[in-house]
Amino acid sequence: GEDVEQSLFLSVREGDSSVINCTYTDSSSTYLYWYKQEPGAGLQLLTYIFSNMDMKQDQRLTVLLNKKDKHLSLRIADTQTGDSAIYFCAETSTSGYSTLTFGKGTMLLVSP
Amino acid sequence: EAGVAQSPRYKIIEKRQSVAFWCNPISGHATLYWYQQILGQGPKLLIQFQNNGVVDDSQLPKDRFSAERLKGVDSTLKIQPAKLEDSAVYLCASTSRRPNTEAFFGQGTRLTVV
Repeated sequence: GEDVEQSLFLSVREGDSSVINCTYTDSSSTYLYWYKQEPGAGLQLLTYIFSNMDMKQDQRLTVLLNKKDKHLSLRIADTQTGDSAIYFCAETSTSGYSTLTFGKGTMLLVSP
Repeated sequence: EAGVAQSPRYKIIEKRQSVAFWCNPISGHATLYWYQQILGQGPKLLIQFQNNGVVDDSQLPKDRFSAERLKGVDSTLKIQPAKLEDSAVYLCASTSRRPNTEAFFGQGTRLTVV
């Protein structure tokens, strides 16, 4: 079955860039997503990328996709303390009914 | 546009008791998901509905979990009887399109089984 792996923890200083990495195994993955979860809250979609793209930029967020290596990354520029949260990588494919499969999440801690 | 509504927000029950969670998806969303998120892990799909039909329940522990989506709108997820390992946050999500370019999540129901 599908598998999504992420690094578990990242600590950065405010103002630095953060890079969160993710690998996936399903070669039929069509969309890849980054979700953010703050304590006690649901999941908030940050951005997504279609598999025929290799980069997407959205304000402070840059998503890079290496389809050959099945590697996805999320770069947050000028990281702020409000960015502290758990970030989940997720994927879906157009086969079947597009189940959304998540990684275990990366906890990002931003210190002042 | 109203988001995905879930209730209750919190529930504490003893093991072997039963519990039910409710989800009201975004109006018009045909696809509804229930996810289980155990502390420190990513959400794991329990069941996926397309309108009122089940399209994936392969990871639902059917001996104790059941879910329904009557009329293709609201959904309920039930656990009977609950076990300690069912302690988790139960997330409901909905989406309108295939493939789902954005699934909207509710705030979840945090279940503690003691």
